[in-house]
Amino acid sequence: GENVEQHPSTLSVQEGDSAVIKCTYSDSASNYFPWYKQELGKRPQLIIDIRSNVGEKKDQRIAVTLNKTAKHFSLHITETQPEDSAVYFCAASKGTNAGKSTFGDGTTLTVKP
Amino acid sequence: NAGVTQTPKFQVLKTGQSMTLQCAQDMNHEYMSWYRQDPGMGLRLIHYSVGAGITDQGEVPNGYNVSRSTTEDFPLRLLSAAPSQTSVYFCASRQGGRETQYFGPGTRLLVL
Repeated sequence: GENVEQHPSTLSVQEGDSAVIKCTYSDSASNYFPWYKQELGKRPQLIIDIRSNVGEKKDQRIAVTLNKTAKHFSLHITETQPEDSAVYFCAASKGTNAGKSTFGDGTTLTVKP
Repeated sequence: NAGVTQTPKFQVLKTGQSMTLQCAQDMNHEYMSWYRQDPGMGLRLIHYSVGAGITDQGEVPNGYNVSRSTTEDFPLRLLSAAPSQTSVYFCASRQGGRETQYFGPGTRLLVL
């Protein structure tokens, strides 16, 4: 089955700096890669996703890049703000089976004011 | 739309007890899934359903049963609770042909 590894497990940055979280996946058939933000005690919320036919996607301060050859994808957050502090999860799935996503173990991002 | 709802929010069980975690969605989504989230880990798939009457096992199905008699509801049954089932349980749904999953608020389960 699919295996997703996520690094780092914790990340601390100063407000205004950039943050990068990386994930690798094992199944070359995976073609849908969402990123979720989870605040303490809350449900995961989709923040951005990318499909395997696209190399990069951007939405305001967040962007995701995908390298299919190397089987890794990354989340980039620019101009970080304290409210970006949360746990971020990556996931991978074969698109039509997005209900069968495999998740990374999460990255706890702390943005210091 | 209420989206995806889960009940109860919190539950304490004794080892060996059984219970059902409820999940409902009002978005007419075909696909529904149950995940568990343990501290320091991502979500792991327990069971999923691609439509009423159709269910399948995920990554960690042992000790759990599901059924899908209607499009709206997807209950998760713990047959004989064990301390290892202490976790936060999330239900999710998505529309057929679309990849975006919508998560419920979660049920926090403590098994003593």
